[in-house]
Amino acid sequence: GEDVEQSLFLSVREGDSSVINCTYTDSSSTYLYWYKQEPGAGLQLLTYIFSNMDMKQDQRLTVLLNKKDKHLSLRIADTQTGDSAIYFCAESVNNAGNMLTFGGGTRLMVKP
Amino acid sequence: DGGITQSPKYLFRKEGQNVTLSCEQNLNHDAMYWYRQDPGQGLRLIYYSQIVNDFQKGDIAEGYSVSREKKESFPLTVTSAQKNPTAFYLCASGRGWYEQFFGPGTRLTVL
Repeated sequence: GEDVEQSLFLSVREGDSSVINCTYTDSSSTYLYWYKQEPGAGLQLLTYIFSNMDMKQDQRLTVLLNKKDKHLSLRIADTQTGDSAIYFCAESVNNAGNMLTFGGGTRLMVKP
Repeated sequence: DGGITQSPKYLFRKEGQNVTLSCEQNLNHDAMYWYRQDPGQGLRLIYYSQIVNDFQKGDIAEGYSVSREKKESFPLTVTSAQKNPTAFYLCASGRGWYEQFFGPGTRLTVL
């Protein structure tokens, strides 16, 4: 079955890098995603990576995928207070249509 | 502007009542989804629809119902059979593998 796991909480200082980790179990994942949720709001897609890629960089965001270990990470460079939010990783599986399986979310707190 | 709207933002329900949450999109997406989010937890799929006039149960469909009469609209009814309906409800729409767009959510509280 599908299972996506994340640590619950991460605290960093403003200007430092943040690394949020995620593990998944389904080896047939097609795409893996990172979403951001601010308090009381919906989810905003930050970035995604296709399963045959190792890395994707988009401005301050770097996604690393270790398919062998089924490990996904999101690195935020120069973390700002506005980055404080809950970050969800999610996977889509080729034989499951367009459905996503979400992790439980990591709450990132950025201290000034 | 293209996007997904959900209404109302906050909804209060008395026990035993049915309530309907609205979700509308003008992104021309075929697929639409309803998720439930409880505090400190991820999203769980309630129902999804990949095409008009068709929908499928997700992981936690019991106590909920949906309809998909128009491409743009995918309302969710929370029935009195749902034992613990207080939660944050998120609607999403998508096209293809690579993205789901989310609405701003509706927070439902049972009094």
